[in-house]
Amino acid sequence: GAGVSQSPSNKVTEKGKDVELRCDPISGHTALYWYRQSLGQGLEFLIYFQGNSAPDKSGLPSDRFSAERTGGSVSTLTIQRTQQEDSAVYLCASSWDRGELFFGEGSRLTVL
Amino acid sequence: SQQGEEDPQALSIQEGENATMNCSYKTSINNLQWYRQNSGRGLVHLILIRSNEREKHSGRLRVTLDTSKKSSSLLITASRAADTASYFCATGLNSGGSNYKLTFGKGTLLTVNP
Repeated sequence: GAGVSQSPSNKVTEKGKDVELRCDPISGHTALYWYRQSLGQGLEFLIYFQGNSAPDKSGLPSDRFSAERTGGSVSTLTIQRTQQEDSAVYLCASSWDRGELFFGEGSRLTVL
Repeated sequence: SQQGEEDPQALSIQEGENATMNCSYKTSINNLQWYRQNSGRGLVHLILIRSNEREKHSGRLRVTLDTSKKSSSLLITASRAADTASYFCATGLNSGGSNYKLTFGKGTLLTVNP
């Protein structure tokens, strides 16, 4: 596709379950970001991938959160043992290095 | 903590008026970007200004950057109801090695009344 694709668009899960969120970046973009946005709030940086460099994981809120990017393309954000405070919209974006970001429409996670 | 902070948090104006939003940040940056968000979903890039630039225009948008004051402003001229959205500034900062982090403020909610 032409844009950044995220799936699922909506996910409802029970507390304690694991969830996986997927991001398909724009082909050829070297950088990929994950952000989290709670209702009415700004974007909270989670993790940044750039080419083959080690990712910047400094924004991950706990060790329940992890992300990988396979083959420099698709990325998966995994949240283990979900908690209610994990409920938010998870946004993925890709770019050329240090350029403008192209965002997906986000994955809305609701933890019951 | 947020690198950029927008001001005001909310702004309500009449169609045809100009809207000015400000962004302040704390550390040296490589560039500063402005984004728009409708309905709490994906953000759309509006404009990027590099640290060695002072002003940039794009259509009805004008962005200024004052690195000595660590601040930027976004001006939307002749506003329209369709400009109603949240506007975010994002600061680009080298975070070590080849890493680069783009961090966002909390945004300004702009309402343009018809």
